[in-house]
Amino acid sequence: GENVEQHPSTLSVQEGDSAVIKCTYSDSASNYFPWYKQELGKRPQLIIDIRSNVGEKKDQRIAVTLNKTAKHFSLHITETQPEDSAVYFCAASRVGGFKTIFGAGTRLFVKA
Amino acid sequence: EAGVAQSPRYKIIEKRQSVAFWCNPISGHATLYWYQQILGQGPKLLIQFQNNGVVDDSQLPKDRFSAERLKGVDSTLKIQPAKLEDSAVYLCASSRGQGEGYTFGSGTRLTVV
Repeated sequence: GENVEQHPSTLSVQEGDSAVIKCTYSDSASNYFPWYKQELGKRPQLIIDIRSNVGEKKDQRIAVTLNKTAKHFSLHITETQPEDSAVYFCAASRVGGFKTIFGAGTRLFVKA
Repeated sequence: EAGVAQSPRYKIIEKRQSVAFWCNPISGHATLYWYQQILGQGPKLLIQFQNNGVVDDSQLPKDRFSAERLKGVDSTLKIQPAKLEDSAVYLCASSRGQGEGYTFGSGTRLTVV
């Protein structure tokens, strides 16, 4: 069945450094790739997404890249801050399709 | 726009009791999802509605869980009877269409004792 693998499961960085989280998907028909941030005790929130017709998308300190050939996509956070500490989930789906598959999550710690 | 509304926020019940959760999605969002999130894990889809029809309930334990979305707007999820392993946060989410970005509600934290 469809699967999304996410790495690493835990990531610890120093404040100001960059963080990269990678996901690989199995369904070649996937064309929509959102990223969610979940702070402790709170709901997951959509922070950025990318569709398969573009290779990169940026929003201030966060960016997502997509390699359709290799079927992987990555979240990049630059100049990390303590408030970036959270669990990040990637997901893959087909717009108009009915299944969104989530990765297992990456717990990011940003040390001040 | 108003967010996804869920109630109650917290619920503690004894095993074998029944419980119901309610969700009101963002206005105009045709797709509604119920997820179960066990502590330390990613969200697991229980059921997905498109308007008032079920699109996917393959991971819903149908012997004890049921859900409905009458009139294609708000939805209820019921557990009867509850087991200890049902302790989790139950998240409702909605999206404009299938496969698009979600807005999650605050969730209901269920503790079964």
